[in-house]
Amino acid sequence: GESVGLHLPTLSVQEGDNSIINCAYSNSASDYFIWYKQESGKGPQFIIDIRSNMDKRQGQRVTVLLNKTVKHLSLQIAATQPGDSAVYFCAENGMASYDKVIFGPGTSLSVIP
Amino acid sequence: KAGVTQTPRYLIKTRGQQVTLSCSPISGHRSVSWYQQTPGQGLQFLFEYFSETQRNKGNFPGRFSGRQFSNSRSEMNVSTLELGDSALYLCASSESTGTGRPLHFGNGTRLTVT
Repeated sequence: GESVGLHLPTLSVQEGDNSIINCAYSNSASDYFIWYKQESGKGPQFIIDIRSNMDKRQGQRVTVLLNKTVKHLSLQIAATQPGDSAVYFCAENGMASYDKVIFGPGTSLSVIP
Repeated sequence: KAGVTQTPRYLIKTRGQQVTLSCSPISGHRSVSWYQQTPGQGLQFLFEYFSETQRNKGNFPGRFSGRQFSNSRSEMNVSTLELGDSALYLCASSESTGTGRPLHFGNGTRLTVT
């Protein structure tokens, strides 16, 4: 079936450095992509989203890049802080009505002080 | 606005029992989705309800069921519990259904089956 997968299960970065979390998706018909952050003991929290008609979108300290040619999505976090330590999930949503949101396996980000 | 509220926060059940989990969506949100989260399988879609109707269903056995009430609150039920049902069950709400809708999650119900 369709899936969204992450290249790396864990990532460690030094505080202040930039982080890049990657995601590969397999459904070329996917129209909408979302990044979520999940801290320990909490549910996933929406970070940023992007539609398939865009290739880049910026938020506060975060940037999402979408490459539809190779079906790749990335989340860039600038000046990573200890509070960014969490599991990050990419998710995709198809174009049809009532299409379910499919989540990738997640990447655990650890920020080294 | 208050966020998505899930109750109870923790549950311990024994094999063969059944369990009902509750979810109150963000005010004004009409779509509620349920996910099962386990370390091995990640976030797996269970089902989605919109306007009291199930709109989509994941690949789970019939022991897993749900419903939505007229006030958009939702419940999910798992009957004849198995050890493998131990997981974090997450509820998410969104304003509508279909593409382009970020999900807003609750903090989940941690179910342990012994």
